[in-house]
Amino acid sequence: SAVISQKPSRDICQRGTSLTIQCQVDSQVTMMFWYRQQPGQSLTLIATANQGSEATYESGFVIDKFPISRPNLTFSTLTVSNMSPEDSSIYLCSVRTGANTEAFFGQGTRLTVV
Amino acid sequence: AQSVTQPDIHITVSEGASLELRCNYSYGATPYLFWYVQSPGQGLQLLLKYFSGDTLVQGIKGFEAEFKRSQSSFNLRKPSVHWSDAAEYFCAVASNRDDKIIFGKGTRLHILP
Repeated sequence: SAVISQKPSRDICQRGTSLTIQCQVDSQVTMMFWYRQQPGQSLTLIATANQGSEATYESGFVIDKFPISRPNLTFSTLTVSNMSPEDSSIYLCSVRTGANTEAFFGQGTRLTVV
Repeated sequence: AQSVTQPDIHITVSEGASLELRCNYSYGATPYLFWYVQSPGQGLQLLLKYFSGDTLVQGIKGFEAEFKRSQSSFNLRKPSVHWSDAAEYFCAVASNRDDKIIFGKGTRLHILP
């Protein structure tokens, strides 16, 4: 298993600003992902955070809007840039500790853009 | 690419009744399949998972799911629901080629007293 800590747990931000979310894992993991959960919706995969290289983004998500860093095997950040109210969501960090494992999730960051 | 369909957005059952939540997946090879539950304001909790072997999988909280390759399904069942089972249930699939897990749109379960 893995224990994931996300910071901040929630924030209220002004439109046009940026927020960086941190994800810290208690062990080294190769597979780390960022998801978005809009109000009343399911989880949508934003990107796979790759250690030492650029993140792999899913269709509809771009690096300029959601830059991701992964400096080592226990830490990643997701930045939500130039925010608009449509970015109000819960952002979740997730890891898998192996190919035959489930995804473990942090408690999420609840973002409200006003 | 893999995908997951949960055809029922809402399901309402009476407390003590049986439950079946449907999940269909699309993937060329044998997928890895999961059911997660999310209670209001809570994080995601894994109920059960299937990777290989016995197609009937037992999970926590009295839940089970059956993998049926011929129907591309992985339906979740519980013989008798409790009021505390009211939550959002997500079916998810991963491939054995890439590592990402894709989630269905979820089924919200309501329990009548």
